Amino acid sequence: EADIYQTPRYLVIGTGKKITLECSQTMGHDKMYWYQQDPGMELHLIHYSYGVNSTEKGDLSSESTVSRIRTEHFPLTLESARPSHTSQYLCASGRGGEKLFFGSGTQLSVL
Amino acid sequence: AQRVTQPEKLLSVFKGAPVELKCNYSYSGSPELFWYVQYSRQRLQLLLRHISRESIKGFTADLNKGETSFHLKKPFAQEEDSAMYYCALSSYNTDKLIFGTGTRLQVFP
Repeated sequence: EADIYQTPRYLVIGTGKKITLECSQTMGHDKMYWYQQDPGMELHLIHYSYGVNSTEKGDLSSESTVSRIRTEHFPLTLESARPSHTSQYLCASGRGGEKLFFGSGTQLSVL
Repeated sequence: AQRVTQPEKLLSVFKGAPVELKCNYSYSGSPELFWYVQYSRQRLQLLLRHISRESIKGFTADLNKGETSFHLKKPFAQEEDSAMYYCALSSYNTDKLIFGTGTRLQVFP
């Protein structure tokens, strides 16, 4: 079934660890996005990609990095996690900006 | 700068009452406006878009360029409408969505 998947759903990790949040979609979308959301706040775009080997930083500065080696896969990496990275990370995909399909999100807690 | 403002964090109404969730935006060009909804334990999903001029689940939203608003309305709220609602803006020449802070709608029986 065509869908967008995010793993893990929850992640609790210690400071300084390297982490990768996975996002995959089987809908054949070229465009993929990462949003960060703190409780009670808006979703902030931190990365986006319009296709393979295309990645751009979003409106909110982030220490994370992304890669897009395959159309369906758009992982987000933090080389050294810090408590300030604690947040919810939402992955989305679409054919254009008008309708995005969101994953279930990853709730990251850095101790 | 592009910005979406949702002034109410929480809106509580009784079943059958009218609902209006406010959204204002700032954008210099011609934006596309959307409402996304997140029900409890579900993913964020598109509710409606201004360009479609459609009514979804009884909700409508009219783009008012003079007031730079895109308020979401429903004449008679239902308990199942309880959710988090986000207004979003997409500029004409990009495929990026900018979201507001969201409004939690609680509909009491």
